[in-house]
Amino acid sequence: KQEVTQIPAALSVPEGENLVLNCSFTDSAIYNLQWFRQDPGKGLTSLLLIQSSQREQTSGRLNASLDKSSGRSTLYIAASQPGDSATYLCAVRDDKIIFGKGTRLHILP
Amino acid sequence: DAGVIQSPRHEVTEMGQEVTLRCKPISGHNSLFWYRQTMMRGLELLIYFNNNVPIDDSGMPEDRFSAKMPNASFSTLKIQPSEPRDSAVYFCASRQPSGNTIYFGEGSWLTVV
Repeated sequence: KQEVTQIPAALSVPEGENLVLNCSFTDSAIYNLQWFRQDPGKGLTSLLLIQSSQREQTSGRLNASLDKSSGRSTLYIAASQPGDSATYLCAVRDDKIIFGKGTRLHILP
Repeated sequence: DAGVIQSPRHEVTEMGQEVTLRCKPISGHNSLFWYRQTMMRGLELLIYFNNNVPIDDSGMPEDRFSAKMPNASFSTLKIQPSEPRDSAVYFCASRQPSGNTIYFGEGSWLTVV
């Protein structure tokens, strides 16, 4: 059974710092991995999707990497801003889409 | 595009009552997912449909939960009878054929007292 773990559960960093969020999964037989952002009281918004054959994807200040063999992904946020404060979730797709519990990120002004 | 539309956004109901949550997927999407989110358990997949057919309902917690998709533009998740432990946010999501990204609705916030 696929399990997705995100560490840390919560993170506070000063504005302007670069940071890394981690995601690990137990079964490497995945189609893709996706990072989402969730604001309080809202649904999930897709940030980046990495296919199983890819190593990384970039969008603006965000960079996501995938090491399928080791069951790990990271989301790198450069030059963090207060508007980046949210919960970040990763999800892997095998025959279903399984989510981690997320990392609550707080950027301190 | 209007996105995935869920209703109601918020519902408070008494234990034992029937609850029906509704979802309209994005037009043209053929996969639909129902998730439940709680602080303790995170996002759990309850059931998903492909082309209106339930593919995997192994996440449905018990017989009190049922889901239907009578056509490509509408799905319901029903809880009967409801219990306080069913209190959670219920999300619907959809995905287009051969697509990768899933799109979430804003969720239905259910409180059972």
